[in-house]
Amino acid sequence: DIQMTQSPSSLSASVGDRVTITCQASQDISNNLNWYQQKPGKAPQLLIYDASSLETGVPSRFSGSGSGTDFTFTISSLQPEDIATYYCQHCDNLPYSFGQGTKLEIK
Amino acid sequence: QVQLVQSGAEVKKPGASVKVSCKASGYTFTSDYMHWVRQAPGQGLEWMGMINPSGGSTAYPQKFQGRVTMTRDTSTSTVYMELSSLRSEDTAVYFCARSGSYSDWFDPWGQGTLVTVSS
Repeated sequence: DIQMTQSPSSLSASVGDRVTITCQASQDISNNLNWYQQKPGKAPQLLIYDASSLETGVPSRFSGSGSGTDFTFTISSLQPEDIATYYCQHCDNLPYSFGQGTKLEIK
Repeated sequence: QVQLVQSGAEVKKPGASVKVSCKASGYTFTSDYMHWVRQAPGQGLEWMGMINPSGGSTAYPQKFQGRVTMTRDTSTSTVYMELSSLRSEDTAVYFCARSGSYSDWFDPWGQGTLVTVSS
């Protein structure tokens, strides 16, 4: 089974900051990597699929990159509404799995 | 628009079973897959398995094999997730989520169903 290691587990940043989260797969998953945002008490929402494709309607300040085993998720300019927990997820083969999550807070 | 609506919260005793439903609308039910993901209080997301509503085939991770059963009713565009031999560690919010035939990302998700296991 593929393990996903996400870091950091929590992050405090100021409005306007550039924020970066990393996700590492235990084996090559090509670009089969997705990113989700989850706000408290809500279901996760898809932000990025296929490692770097922006889901329709998602602000362009969100971006993803990487392939193989190392992936990066970036918010170019943090906004107050971005406060949430972010998860990576691989969909290379079954069983699918998620990273541990990164809780993002405003400084 | 595509929508997944789940059944309401449940409280169960240890050793019992729970069956959660997820009703789909806004797309062709048998064209896409449905997944179940759970989230224990304050914890991360855990994939529980998937069902192909077209033929009913399923795939479960080893952790849940023998304890989880996913089924579907094509007449009502509803999928079900039944978890048996419940224990306190199964207390969690359970989500259904759709993925496409050629797209393995989860979108959208249901609103979640809280299952509480307590004596």
